[in-house]
Order: sequence, then structure tokens, then C-alpha cells
Amino acid sequence: GAGVSQTPSNKVTEKGKYVELRCDPISGHTALYWYRQSLGQGPEFLIYFQGTGAADDSGLPNDRFFAVRPEGSVSTLKIQRTERGDSAVYLCASSFGLRDDEQFFGPGTRLTVL
Amino acid sequence: AQKITQTQPGMFVQEKEAVTLDCTYDTSDPSYGLFWYKQPSSGEMIFLIYQGSYDQQNATEGRYSLNFQKARKSANLVISASQLGDSAMYFCAMRGYNFNKFYFGSGTKLNVKP
Repeated sequence: GAGVSQTPSNKVTEKGKYVELRCDPISGHTALYWYRQSLGQGPEFLIYFQGTGAADDSGLPNDRFFAVRPEGSVSTLKIQRTERGDSAVYLCASSFGLRDDEQFFGPGTRLTVL
Repeated sequence: AQKITQTQPGMFVQEKEAVTLDCTYDTSDPSYGLFWYKQPSSGEMIFLIYQGSYDQQNATEGRYSLNFQKARKSANLVISASQLGDSAMYFCAMRGYNFNKFYFGSGTKLNVKP
């Protein structure tokens, strides 16, 4: 079956611009996570959705970052006024939302801010 | 606070030999889950193995086994009979009782030599 998909796979933008990153989770998965992975580091949690609501957004670094999941499926991570420090791979993962189950990761979006 | 520590930035192993990747964690949660993921150079995170904190037996999945020592707060990954395709980054991760987020370690880069 289809896995988690993320678009675009690569995004190059200029400092100060607005970007949107899309995540399409596995069908039926209620839990959705966004992570940011800088070069040579492990993924860093950003936000978690259970259904349509953001159950935990404590990992968002500042108010330039925002994410939505209006229908409980596709999610969009939005970054305003991008900065060079936002350059990273943004990973999305989904799961059934049960305590013991695994997350399935997408291939990531590599964001480069010039 | 939750924390995952992987103290081996890089490891080498000879093909067909076994290798142990170290992971220690810190948490005050009464129950938690421990995960290992593989990240090849292609970038996608691949789930390997899961251990619940109340599981009596160490988890095994094919050539992967998790050496779980709860009192020492360690969850080392053992890969038996290493293959060239095992060369990748390996991340240890923990999900706490409030299972809304995962905490990842900084990873270990494994190189399997022919």
C-alpha cells in the first residue's frame, strides 16, 4: 500500500519568503507528526496531531511556524519569513495513534533557505 | 525531562559479524516505549524494532535484537550477521507515557566492511 508522502521533495527559497510543506499520511492513520532534522542530527519533534487538532505543538521553535490538518488527513507545515537557520529536512510521520505502534516516516522535504 | 543518548558517532563492523549500538535514556515516566530506526543515505527512516518498558522479554526482529536493561536505562541494538546493506545511520528513540512525541538520539553511523 501507499506510504507517507511528502511534497515537494526539495524546496529552495529566499530568506524572508513563505513556504508550505505538505504531508499525506497513510490512510486510516489518525496520528501525524512533524519533525525537523538538521545535518548530522536526529529528528527533532515539532508538532503532533491526533485527528484534526494539534495535540502537542510544543516543539515549534517560534510563531513563524504553524501547521494545520483541517480534515484529519493531509497536513501542511507553514513557515513564514523564512530564515537561513530553517534549512533542514522536514520529516512527517503517521501512525494509528496507539501507544505501542510504530510511526511510518515519509521521505522528507529538504528545505534550503538562501 | 526526556533524553536519549547515543555515545557512538560512528562504528565499523566486518561483514557477517555482530555489532552492538549503544543507547541510554532518561525519563521519569512510569511507562514508555523504545524504538530503533535505520536511516540509509536515501534519507527515509525505517522502523527496526520496538521495546515496551513493561515487556518482560527483550524484543527480537530477524537479525535485530534489543538488549533492554531497565535498571541501567539502556536499550542497545544488536545486529547479528552484518550485511553491507546495513551501512546507515541508526537512531534510538523513546516515546513517553504521554505518547504524543518521540525523542531521538543523535544517531550512530554504522559502516559494514566487506
